[in-house]
Amino acid sequence: DTEVTQTPKHLVMGMTNKKSLKCEQHMGHRAMYWYKQKAKKPPELMFVYSYEKLSINESVPSRFSPECPNSSLLNLHLHALQPEDSALYLCASRPGPGPLSTDTQYFGPGTRLTVL
Amino acid sequence: KQEVTQIPAALSVPEGENLVLNCSFTDSAIYNLQWFRQDPGKGLTSLLLIQSSQREQTSGRLNASLDKSSGRSTLYIAASQPGDSATYLCAVTGGSNYKLTFGKGTLLTVNP
Repeated sequence: DTEVTQTPKHLVMGMTNKKSLKCEQHMGHRAMYWYKQKAKKPPELMFVYSYEKLSINESVPSRFSPECPNSSLLNLHLHALQPEDSALYLCASRPGPGPLSTDTQYFGPGTRLTVL
Repeated sequence: KQEVTQIPAALSVPEGENLVLNCSFTDSAIYNLQWFRQDPGKGLTSLLLIQSSQREQTSGRLNASLDKSSGRSTLYIAASQPGDSATYLCAVTGGSNYKLTFGKGTLLTVNP
């Protein structure tokens, strides 16, 4: 199994809703990432988890709350989002710690989020 | 702060043509450089990874080169096909936690 799965594929939510995005990998990777990608822009790093601990938070607003319950699962809890948060949310994983020069990140297909 | 620039932003070519995509980065202290492909609304697929100590990597019709000292990489696509149409992203890794810094991408269209 060499893939990262993300659910749901599409999500439409109102500004008062609470929803969660899910990311799963069964490759034994110990580093997992959340990225946000707006249309025609490159992915922007949001959070990094290393060995289930949050190691990087790129100054993301608190309405985004990450969670890593175990080494295979990464969640992104959403609350009180704004329309400008509409984007493609990508999850990725990396074997880590390993030889850094040879590691690549494996990306999931993303969740397309629309905030009304 | 690492900055990655990709040229051109968009490229349209007829099928069968050989083409080159360019990537430059400002900080040469990188672990590796990767080229990704992204189809519209989809995730990223890693095409080639070049370690900082390497000069090039090849996979099928794709060849990527790296000149770390000058901060440049090229992706060469031979005999392009309509199925190659996608956005190609260059990304370098550096610092702790293996942070990827992406360029803005090149949108490639291969016309039948």
